[in-house]
Amino acid sequence: DTEVTQTPKHLVMGMTNKKSLKCEQHMGHRAMYWYKQKAKKPPELMFVYSYEKLSINESVPSRFSPECPNSSLLNLHLHALQPEDSALYLCASSEQYEETQYFGPGTRLLVL
Amino acid sequence: QKEVEQNSGPLSVPEGAIASLNCTYSDRGSQSFFWYRQYSGKSPELIMFIYSNGDKEDGRFTAQLNKASQYVSLLIRDSQPSDSATYLCAVMSGGSNYKLTFGKGTLLTVNP
Repeated sequence: DTEVTQTPKHLVMGMTNKKSLKCEQHMGHRAMYWYKQKAKKPPELMFVYSYEKLSINESVPSRFSPECPNSSLLNLHLHALQPEDSALYLCASSEQYEETQYFGPGTRLLVL
Repeated sequence: QKEVEQNSGPLSVPEGAIASLNCTYSDRGSQSFFWYRQYSGKSPELIMFIYSNGDKEDGRFTAQLNKASQYVSLLIRDSQPSDSATYLCAVMSGGSNYKLTFGKGTLLTVNP
């Protein structure tokens, strides 16, 4: 079973709101990822966690704050977002950092 | 800048035909190659991965890799309307910074 779950499926937030996206996997994978995908564009890597430690931050603005509470969970905390941050936010996981990545269903975010 | 190039399409084939999707990459140190299928509004779904030169078959799908030419392709035999989607080629770079770089995707339409 290669299931990654994400909540919520949809999120609408104002520019002054604080919200969080959640991602969970129970496959024993040790690497987890956040991607951002705009319409008709490929996914763009935001963050990589390997063994619960932040391995890569692709120069993402500080209004996006990742957190990995344990090996199964990955959060993305959102604060003071801009309308241009509206996108599909994808979580992925892999057994190890360099291995095949499996994507969750995504959270579609709209910032008003 | 590590690049992955795909013909954006759209590629239109009749039902039952072979669809051929192509991808080239710039980083000679790339180690792993992936094809993801993405339906409109959904998340990427892994179709195939290939690590070694040659062909790899899985049902109606065949991935082909030629590292000397820095070329990877996906053939879909007996194409079905349900295969209509965007196909993303993704390449994992080598070295110590394992990062999945996506092409822009090829939109495939299979006409009944």
